[in-house]
Amino acid sequence: DQQVKQNSPSLSVQEGRISILNCDYTNSMFDYFLWYKKYPAEGPTFLISISSIKDKNEDGRFTVFLNKSAKHLSLHIVPSQPGDSAVYFCAASGKTGANNLFFGTGTRLTVIP
Amino acid sequence: DTGVSQDPRHKITKRGQNVTFRCDPISEHNRLYWYRQTLGQGPEFLTYFQNEAQLEKSRLLSDRFSAERPKGSFSTLEIQRTEQGDSAMYLCASGGDGRYNEQFFGPGTRLTVL
Repeated sequence: DQQVKQNSPSLSVQEGRISILNCDYTNSMFDYFLWYKKYPAEGPTFLISISSIKDKNEDGRFTVFLNKSAKHLSLHIVPSQPGDSAVYFCAASGKTGANNLFFGTGTRLTVIP
Repeated sequence: DTGVSQDPRHKITKRGQNVTFRCDPISEHNRLYWYRQTLGQGPEFLTYFQNEAQLEKSRLLSDRFSAERPKGSFSTLEIQRTEQGDSAMYLCASGGDGRYNEQFFGPGTRLTVL
């Protein structure tokens, strides 16, 4: 039962344009959401996070938007750079217990120079 | 380098053998997690330590798997009588005590069971 879903396995974007990666979740108990970037043969690298009390968080070129009513979040990267090419994972955690992360299946972003 | 480290990076073993992986978390982090990632999937939670106490285990963690974190520092994950289905990337992550603390991942140990 996949509680966090990334329905787009891949995305290609021209350098300098905006990349928008989407994520949906089903568990209304999730209250903390994160995006990770992963290069081959490396562990996931933390990018940006947002708590459920906010609807937007920005860090440089990266902005995460949260729509709680739709159980949807998105990551915007602008402007996109070739070095952004990687697999991006959306993750979520709940309010109690281990606070372990539930991950989506990832979206492979390719930024074309 | 003060990030999370894992050893070994790669392990090839024959079915039925035992393997042990090590994780060294970020030194000030009390929380330590093990995840497993297979091809085309995101990481899946296996188990969680708060200091030296193992507080939660996923149902993915069969009785052939055991994890320890003596003295609340490094952690080991052992798989006994490995099976081909155990082939995966095993990831360790650590995090601080705050409610909204991100988890930082190590590079992972890729296990191949022949």
